[in-house]
Amino acid sequence: GAVVSQHPSWVICKSGTSVKIECRSLDFQATTMFWYRQFPKQSLMLMATSNEGSKATYEQGVEKDKFLINHASLTLSTLTVTSAHPEDSSFYICSAGRSRDGYTFGSGTRLTVV
Amino acid sequence: AQTVTQSQPEMSVQEAETVTLSCTYDTSESDYYLFWYKQPPSRQMILVIRQEAYKQQNATENRFSVNFQKAAKSFSLKISDSQLGDAAMYFCAYSVTGNQFYFGTGTSLTVIP
Repeated sequence: GAVVSQHPSWVICKSGTSVKIECRSLDFQATTMFWYRQFPKQSLMLMATSNEGSKATYEQGVEKDKFLINHASLTLSTLTVTSAHPEDSSFYICSAGRSRDGYTFGSGTRLTVV
Repeated sequence: AQTVTQSQPEMSVQEAETVTLSCTYDTSESDYYLFWYKQPPSRQMILVIRQEAYKQQNATENRFSVNFQKAAKSFSLKISDSQLGDAAMYFCAYSVTGNQFYFGTGTSLTVIP
């Protein structure tokens, strides 16, 4: 079945620095990937849709300049949290695949900004 | 707008017993997909079961089955013979082909030994 790899699993960074999270489709090509954010004991909130070769589509309220998404190839999408602040600390999850089959999710990245 | 509602924030079930998790959704689409995902403490999202809206037959996957009521826009999950490993957050999700998922708020399931 479809496998999605997300890296790193967890990261701690200093306030003001940038952090890059990678999402890879290992055994299939993904023209579209999705990025979610999840706060403790809450549901997944869609942040943006990553489109290969074009600009990402951001959900309302998500800052494009803070959460930079790049989908430069059919198997890789990256999310960069720029100038991170403690309020950006969260769990970030990507997904890819085909909606009718049920998207496959990465294992998530726990970001802590100190 | 599409919305997914899970009215049970927490549920508990005795081991080996049966539990049903509720989910309702709102949509104007006629063709769509519904899913139940499980999120254990590891936070890995795991697909439990899926249902295509155009199919009247309820989906089943081993101990997991759904009660899909299209007219009522209801999609409940039944877990039979509950096991300790079933303890997790369960999310109901809706999707139109090619588009993103809309998730419910989740139900935390506790399995009592």
